[in-house]
Amino acid sequence: ETGVTQSPTHLIKTRGQQVTLRCSSQSGHNTVSWYQQALGQGPQFIFQYYREEENGRGNFPPRFSGLQFPNYSSELNVNALELDDSALYLCASSLRSGTTDTQYFGPGTRLTVL
Amino acid sequence: AQSVAQPEDQVNVAEGNPLTVKCTYSVSGNPYLFWYVQYPNRGLQFLLKYITGDNLVKGSYGFEAEFNKSQTSFHLKKPSALVSDSALYFCAVRGGGGGGSQGNLIFGKGTKLSVKP
Repeated sequence: ETGVTQSPTHLIKTRGQQVTLRCSSQSGHNTVSWYQQALGQGPQFIFQYYREEENGRGNFPPRFSGLQFPNYSSELNVNALELDDSALYLCASSLRSGTTDTQYFGPGTRLTVL
Repeated sequence: AQSVAQPEDQVNVAEGNPLTVKCTYSVSGNPYLFWYVQYPNRGLQFLLKYITGDNLVKGSYGFEAEFNKSQTSFHLKKPSALVSDSALYFCAVRGGGGGGSQGNLIFGKGTKLSVKP
């Protein structure tokens, strides 16, 4: 196990609602990245947080937003949910060391939008 | 733009036989390459990475990967497959990132490995 935890495990929402997903980083890590994994696909990068600031963003609309807290835990917020937001959301933590750091993933949150 | 390709959706191997899961990459600059494994309803587990140095990288659970610059490949290998190796395998490359980030990973679509007894 990596020491990265995510909550909740599963979540069911309806279209138009808002959702907050949570991630607790591995001890000693200062960077959190979020990914969306649609069924049958590889994970897609949403954004990364380092020292409580967004530090890079993938091709996702502004209704996907996040936070990183002083203890390096993180939240992913999605507003105005759409059916296509149904996916496994993965959080990864790492200790930033340039380009060579390794990201360690949590078990994910399965979001279903009806 | 950085990208990886996994040309095989599925690889079938008999237990005890060697296995190879293929990955090719396209990058500008130095490639930083990773392999992860995903078991059903689980997150991704890190197996190994190539940053620089020896072309043969050894990782967890007896896996290794061979970096080949001329063929732009980073194939995952194991000398003797186990039934418990059956899972989904992802190759990834470090992206350039947006907003100055060096941190994102770009994943392939994954290869399902099936090891039969």
